[in-house]
Amino acid sequence: SQQGEEDPQALSIQEGENATMNCSYKTSINNLQWYRQNSGRGLVHLILIRSNEREKHSGRLRVTLDTSKKSSSLLITASRAADTASYFCATDADDYKLSFGAGTTVTVRA
Amino acid sequence: NAGVTQTPKFQVLKTGQSMTLQCAQDMNHEYMSWYRQDPGMGLRLIHYSVGAGITDQGEVPNGYNVSRSTTEDFPLRLLSAAPSQTSVYFCASSPVIGGAFFGQGTRLTVV
Repeated sequence: SQQGEEDPQALSIQEGENATMNCSYKTSINNLQWYRQNSGRGLVHLILIRSNEREKHSGRLRVTLDTSKKSSSLLITASRAADTASYFCATDADDYKLSFGAGTTVTVRA
Repeated sequence: NAGVTQTPKFQVLKTGQSMTLQCAQDMNHEYMSWYRQDPGMGLRLIHYSVGAGITDQGEVPNGYNVSRSTTEDFPLRLLSAAPSQTSVYFCASSPVIGGAFFGQGTRLTVV
């Protein structure tokens, strides 16, 4: 069964706006990762946050992790057309067996 | 660096046929995995390996075999293809600490 669930399923925003998506999971984790997938392509790793970390930044990306609520959020600031993609959270609970959610599809309108 | 290379990119099989999806990585990663991606379901883990000679089952292993004779290669074998195995297959490799690197995928159709 899939551990992570993203919310919302789809998101449409104007270029320059921020995009926020959430991930909830069910069991204890070692770390949580976010990936981007452009249509028909492989996944690209964006950021990894360990279970003892609460917030992490990478460029225009900000990830938070709340292990007490078993949830994470990904914020993309000042979105661009190139950010149009599907975003997946993946939890690592057991020896690098990643469990993915169904993803959030983000559309950035020019 | 080539990263993770998957072949073929596209494949059509008839029900009952067998085939091997190839995956190779040149980053000397210990961990390698196979996932399938179906519409609306995200990625599901088929098999994974934590090093040469070591493999284990993931969430959806039935109908698939793997082996890991070298660090670089992790082929996935479909034993007797079924229409339910129509999917996009991704191979990934991972360092001990850090995110996974994915191949570009193999789009498989079983008719």
